[in-house]
Amino acid sequence: AQRVTQVQPTGSSQWGEEVTLDCSYETSEYFYRIFWYRQLFSGEMVFLIYQPSFDTQNQRSGRYSVVFQKSFKSISLVISASQPEDSGTYFCALSEPDRGSALGRLHFGAGTQLIVIP
Amino acid sequence: GGIITQTPKFLIGQEGQKLTLKCQQNFNHDTMYWYRQDSGKGLRLIYYSITENDLQKGDLSEGYDASREKKSSFSLTVTSAQKNEMAVFLCASTPGTANERLFFGHGTKLSVL
Repeated sequence: AQRVTQVQPTGSSQWGEEVTLDCSYETSEYFYRIFWYRQLFSGEMVFLIYQPSFDTQNQRSGRYSVVFQKSFKSISLVISASQPEDSGTYFCALSEPDRGSALGRLHFGAGTQLIVIP
Repeated sequence: GGIITQTPKFLIGQEGQKLTLKCQQNFNHDTMYWYRQDSGKGLRLIYYSITENDLQKGDLSEGYDASREKKSSFSLTVTSAQKNEMAVFLCASTPGTANERLFFGHGTKLSVL
C-alpha cells in the first residue's frame, strides 16, 4: 500500500505566483517527520523543508512553507513568489523512527513535476 | 562539508549479469540508504544500514544484496540484471540523529541490454 500519496503528477504556475503542492500519508507512529525535496533536471536531490509531527506550527524556510494538517494526515508545500528556477520535481517523504535511527525509513511519494512559466 | 560519491555514474550490463554499485561518504554519517528511481516515479527503498555491518531490507530488496563493511561505504549488488531494465540508483546518508535530513549522491544510471 502506498504510504505517501502525491495526487498531482504535474503542475504549473506563472512567475511570481504562489504554488501549493499537496501530499497525504499513512502512519500509525506518534513521532514522525515529513520532508520535502526537489529533484533538479540533473537528478540532484535538494532538501527544502521538514515538519516534525509534534510541532503544531507550520514550518517556514525562505520562500518555502508548509500547511500541516495532522488530523487529516496531509501536508502541503507552499512556494511563494515562484520563479522559473523552481521548476523540477517535488517529492514528499515520510520518516518514521526505526531502532537506533531517528530518521529511519523514508517513504517517498511519486512526486509532482512543477513548471514555472516565465 | 562533505560529499557522497557514487560509482560508476553510468552502468551498462547484460541480462543475467551481476552488477555492483558503490557509494562512499565522507560526512562520517551513521545511516546510509539505497533507493531506486524509475523514470517518472518516486524513490523506492532497497536497503538501508544504520551502522557498519548492519543491513535492513527496504520495500524493494528482492533481487539485490547490500554490504556495509565500513562506515563510509555502502555497496549494492544487482544479483541478476533484468533485460531492458533502466533505472537510477540513488545513495543517501544521514547522521541518524534527530532533526537531520538525507544527503544524496548524484546517482548511478543503469541500463541493461
